[in-house]
Parts: sequence; structure tokens; C-alpha cells
Amino acid sequence: DAKTTQPPSMDCAEGRAANLPCNHSTISGNEYVYWYRQIHSQGPQYIIHGLKNNETNEMASLIITEDRKSSTLILPHATLRDTAVYYCIPRAGSYQLTFGKGTKLSVIP
Amino acid sequence: DTGVSQNPRHKITKRGQNVTFRCDPISEHNRLYWYRQTLGQGPEFLTYFQNEAQLEKSRLLSDRFSAERPKGSFSTLEIQRTEQGDSAMYLCASSLEGGSNGAFFGQGTRLTVV
Repeated sequence: DAKTTQPPSMDCAEGRAANLPCNHSTISGNEYVYWYRQIHSQGPQYIIHGLKNNETNEMASLIITEDRKSSTLILPHATLRDTAVYYCIPRAGSYQLTFGKGTKLSVIP
Repeated sequence: DTGVSQNPRHKITKRGQNVTFRCDPISEHNRLYWYRQTLGQGPEFLTYFQNEAQLEKSRLLSDRFSAERPKGSFSTLEIQRTEQGDSAMYLCASSLEGGSNGAFFGQGTRLTVV
């Protein structure tokens, strides 16, 4: 699985967009980019995933660069409940998820 | 609640005792995973079942650890002769074979070995 680099922490004002970057320069052609988050004392929660095209769902948008070496998770209107650790995980057909240390997002009132 | 259920949520045990955790996956999911998470780290993969077959075990899963999924539904994770280093959150997840939305995680069982 490709290695990832994420900033250890970020702050975002409540109601503003949170843009969480992830570098995955060694990603292979068949690896999807998955994003999970983990709110304190809970299990990880699936957010979104994509291969090449940008994706959007009710939780977030995922922007993947054309060369696929990096991606950005966008929470369009961050709320206090979005405070969590966000993990970017490249994954091909393997069943396991390889978590790094993620980005701790703090949403500030 | 139709999510992944784990019991107990918390367990405190004395070093050397055996403990067993249970995971009930989402009912139609045929894949089940166990992960371990220590403080400040992301979850680490331990083992994976497809139906009742245990198909992969991480080298993190020492001989003191055993996992079962006897009827392809719920799973148990047993730790024998617990050590202080076993203190962690143990997470269970499930997914559908071929499902693209990754895995769904339970709330975890927090083990403290004293």
C-alpha cells in the first residue's frame, strides 16, 4: 500500500470549509483513496473514497489531483461534531486498511 | 441499531488473566476484521475472516491471541495470559465482499491490563 503524509493537526472555524490535504505520491494505479474519521473514543467512520474523479456525498467532497499523487478532503461547513482524527488511506483490492496517524481536526466555535 | 456491535465496551483485567471479546457484525456482511489501536496511533490490522474462514493474520497476532467466527456470523477474540502491553482498544469491522464503501467499525472494546 502507498505511504501517506498528512499534517498532524489543523484548526477550522465553525461554519467554514475544512480542507484536509493528503500526499500519496507512491499510489499505484489500482489504489483507491479512502477517507475515514475517528471521533474521540469511537470506532473509525467511513467518509468517502475515489479513484480518479472528484467525488461528493452527503458528508464531504474528495478532490484528487490529475496525477493522483495527492488529494484533499473538503468538509464544506464544518461543525463542532466534525472534530476528529481524519485518515487518508490508499487501498487496492486488499481487505485491510492501513491507518497512519491522520490529521487531528479541531473545529473552533 | 443495525451497526457493528462489540461487547464489552470496557474491560479491566489483571495481568495473566484471559479475556474474550465479542463482535456482532452487520448481518449481511460476510467479511469481518479485528484491529487494535493504542493511544495516539491509528488502528492496526490483526486478522480477517471471510464467512467462517480466517484468511489472514497479522504478525501482531501473537500465539496468545486467537480469533474465531464459528458460524460465519459473530466473532470472538481471546487473549490468553494478558500482559500490560495488551492494553489497547480492540476494534471490530465488517464489510460485504466486493463492497466498495470500505468497512464499518464498531465502537471498540477498551482493554486495560493492570
